Amino acid sequence: AQSVTQLDSHVSVSEGTPVLLRCNYSSSYSPSLFWYVQHPNKGLQLLLKYTSAATLVKGINGFEAEFKKSETSFHLTKPSAHMSDAAEYFCVVSERGAQKLVFGQGTRLTINP
Amino acid sequence: NAGVTQTPKFQVLKTGQSMTLQCAQDMNHNSMYWYRQDPGMGLRLIYYSASEGTTDKGEVPNGYNVSRLNKREFSLRLESAAPSQTSVYFCASSPWTSGDYNEQFFGPGTRLTVL
Repeated sequence: AQSVTQLDSHVSVSEGTPVLLRCNYSSSYSPSLFWYVQHPNKGLQLLLKYTSAATLVKGINGFEAEFKKSETSFHLTKPSAHMSDAAEYFCVVSERGAQKLVFGQGTRLTINP
Repeated sequence: NAGVTQTPKFQVLKTGQSMTLQCAQDMNHNSMYWYRQDPGMGLRLIYYSASEGTTDKGEVPNGYNVSRLNKREFSLRLESAAPSQTSVYFCASSPWTSGDYNEQFFGPGTRLTVL
């Protein structure tokens, strides 16, 4: 069975400093992995996806994530935080070929001026 | 191209009342989904539909029914609302077919309060 654990429920960084949001997953077979972002009172928007091509995945707004099979991790990073990055972030796993997605609990990112 | 649209945006119900949440997509996607979002629990799948005329239960289907009216529309019905169904409801669609990865596209959500 698949599962996702987001290791921090809340992360707070200063504007201009790096962002690290941590995600570990459990999957029996070859997983697909996604990061979605949800701004306050909005729907979810896809940031990036890993689908068994390059292990370092670049997404929108300067975010990227690295798939590490040996560590079963898919951490999200950004070199320099911007105030507009304040939002909730969800790590999501799916078995390749499966229809259902499994969501992590979410990490709320706060950016301090 | 509106993507995924949901109506209404907000709704307040009394315990025992019924209502239908509407969802439509204009991306010609085969699959559609209903989720609920509760604080600290991520999104949980209520029901999904792989194609017109088919529906399947997700993780938390109790108290809900769905209808895949056509390829574009997928509605969620609460027959007798309970306070435990207070939540934000999201509809999503995807072009998923067997063997592919499943990138889903989400609507803006419906905030439902049951008193």
